[in-house]
Amino acid sequence: DQQVKQNSPSLSVQEGRISILNCDYTNSMFDYFLWYKKYPAEGPTFLISISSIKDKNEDGRFTVFLNKSAKHLSLHIVPSQPGDSAVYFCAASEPGTYKYIFGTGTRLKVLA
Amino acid sequence: NAGVTQTPKFRILKIGQSMTLQCTQDMNHNYMYWYRQDPGMGLKLIYYSVGAGITDKGEVPNGYNVSRSTTEDFPLRLELAAPSQTSVYFCASSYSANRGNSPLHFGNGTRLTVT
Repeated sequence: DQQVKQNSPSLSVQEGRISILNCDYTNSMFDYFLWYKKYPAEGPTFLISISSIKDKNEDGRFTVFLNKSAKHLSLHIVPSQPGDSAVYFCAASEPGTYKYIFGTGTRLKVLA
Repeated sequence: NAGVTQTPKFRILKIGQSMTLQCTQDMNHNYMYWYRQDPGMGLKLIYYSVGAGITDKGEVPNGYNVSRSTTEDFPLRLELAAPSQTSVYFCASSYSANRGNSPLHFGNGTRLTVT
């Protein structure tokens, strides 16, 4: 049973436009959600996080929105740049544990 | 600043062989983790440690063992390699259990093939 789902395996966006990456989850007890970016042959790197008590968190070009009633979060990248081309993983943490549950990732390609 | 260092980068094993994947971090992080990533899948937690001398199982621990004798090192041991263990293995660490403000720092991975 996959608790964190990224239903779009890939996404292509023109440079300068908005990229929207989506993530759905099933466990309403998750208390933190994180986004990681991964380039080929490298480990994932942390991008941005959001607490379950918030509905928005912004860091420069990156904004994460959380809709708890829909159990859905999204990552917005504005404006998109070719260097943003990578695989993006959504992750959620279980309260009372030290575990992160990862989605399967979305490959973003930003076209110049 | 080295961060999390994993060795080797690549390894090919024959079925039944054993090996240890090395992981070391220089950030004085208490929490360390081993994940595996299979093609088209997310990262699955194998084992984790909340400090020296303390380890616990994750989602997919079968076929693996870990130890944590120091804060810096968290090796992952495969005793009898099987083709199902073909994967990319990532070691990660974090400063605290405050998960939102203390995200995971990952190494660059070890690509393991068992044939």
